Amino acid sequence: DGGITQSPKYLFRKEGQNVTLSCEQNLNHDAMYWYRQDPGQGLRLIYYSQIVNDFQKGDIAEGYSVSREKKESFPLTVTSAQKNPTAFYLCASRTGARYSPLHFGNGTRLTVT
Amino acid sequence: QKEVEQNSGPLSVPEGAIASLNCTYSDRGSQSFFWYRQYSGKSPELIMSIYSNGDKEDGRFTAQLNKASQYVSLLIRDSQPSDSATYLCASVPPGDYKLSFGAGTTVTVRA
Repeated sequence: DGGITQSPKYLFRKEGQNVTLSCEQNLNHDAMYWYRQDPGQGLRLIYYSQIVNDFQKGDIAEGYSVSREKKESFPLTVTSAQKNPTAFYLCASRTGARYSPLHFGNGTRLTVT
Repeated sequence: QKEVEQNSGPLSVPEGAIASLNCTYSDRGSQSFFWYRQYSGKSPELIMSIYSNGDKEDGRFTAQLNKASQYVSLLIRDSQPSDSATYLCASVPPGDYKLSFGAGTTVTVRA
């Protein structure tokens, strides 16, 4: 079945450590996105990529980094520079058509203590 | 001004009633609109897409789009407790590859 796989589902880290969240899709979608969601809040865009080897900052990119070396993969690194990294992280993808909807993975819940 | 605004919740409706959710958008050139449902602790799932003025029905869900008024709505008929969730409205502004999301409206269907 086609879909978006995020791993791990839960992640615990100590403050000051970098951590990488995995996102893989087999939908053959061109564009991929990372969102952050805090309790009771909406979705905030971190980074997005429309094609391989290219990506753009979203609204809250500070303290995060991404890479897009393969069409299927869009990993997100939460660096120690991110001041409040504890959140629910959602990866999404869509086709290259401008009007296509987003499809979401199941999310990774990151807790930093 | 936010690109997409949703009516503030929470919205509580009795089982079997119609839940009405509203969304407005600021960019008149937006062409695509989506409704997502998000259960607590889960990721959003797409429930409706609408691109043309008028109504679009899918089961108990009806999306309505009025581009002149820059207004999108979602009606949930015969509401069930399983419809209790947060509903997110999203649009695609012209010339953009990012979706703009509203903050969401939380719906509670009471038995």
